[in-house]
Amino acid sequence: DVKVTQSSRYLVKRTGEKVFLECVQDMDHENMFWYRQDPGLGLRLIYFSYDVKMKEKGDIPEGYSVSREKKERFSLILESASTNQTSMYLCASSRPGTERSAGYTFGSGTRLTVV
Amino acid sequence: GNSVTQMEGPVTLSEEAFLTINCTYTATGYPSLFWYVQYPGEGLQLLLKATKADDKGSNKGFEATYRKETTSFHLEKGSVQVSDSAVYFCALSATDSNYQLIWGAGTKLIIKP
Repeated sequence: DVKVTQSSRYLVKRTGEKVFLECVQDMDHENMFWYRQDPGLGLRLIYFSYDVKMKEKGDIPEGYSVSREKKERFSLILESASTNQTSMYLCASSRPGTERSAGYTFGSGTRLTVV
Repeated sequence: GNSVTQMEGPVTLSEEAFLTINCTYTATGYPSLFWYVQYPGEGLQLLLKATKADDKGSNKGFEATYRKETTSFHLEKGSVQVSDSAVYFCALSATDSNYQLIWGAGTKLIIKP
């Protein structure tokens, strides 16, 4: 069974901490995505990557960075966590050219609380 | 540009009621259309899809028909269960949007026993 695995289901971090959210997929997908989900705002794209070491800003990249050193792993980094980054974070992946037929595969999400 | 509009929630129904969640879209060309479901505390799962006009996607008793003339992809189920309580997202993959899916805002469905 194909999988996207997010390392933590729940995280609590302090304001100002550097936070790493990890996502690993075992489907050999080139494309990987980070979204945040907030009530009433739906899914908002933070960053995506279409290859190793490649990254593109999404709609709300401020306060975040990403790292893609290996094809299977896409990390989201909160450089200095703030309370307004408390949210559900979702990782997804896809194979280029299959989005129209297969969509994305999502991880289970990481619920981050910044106190 | 490309966009997806879903009916606002929450939608509250009694068990065994008929469900419709409306979804309309704006897109160039011929998009593919998707419904995803998110159960409480979980990520999103693909529920069903349709890749061309008049296609009907179906899964777990849910159905949606790709209507190009009305630019719609409404989700329906004949008899809902408490276990269908979730957030439902409509999305499209447009011919000019590369690898990105365009998402609706999501509709929360609450089924009462």
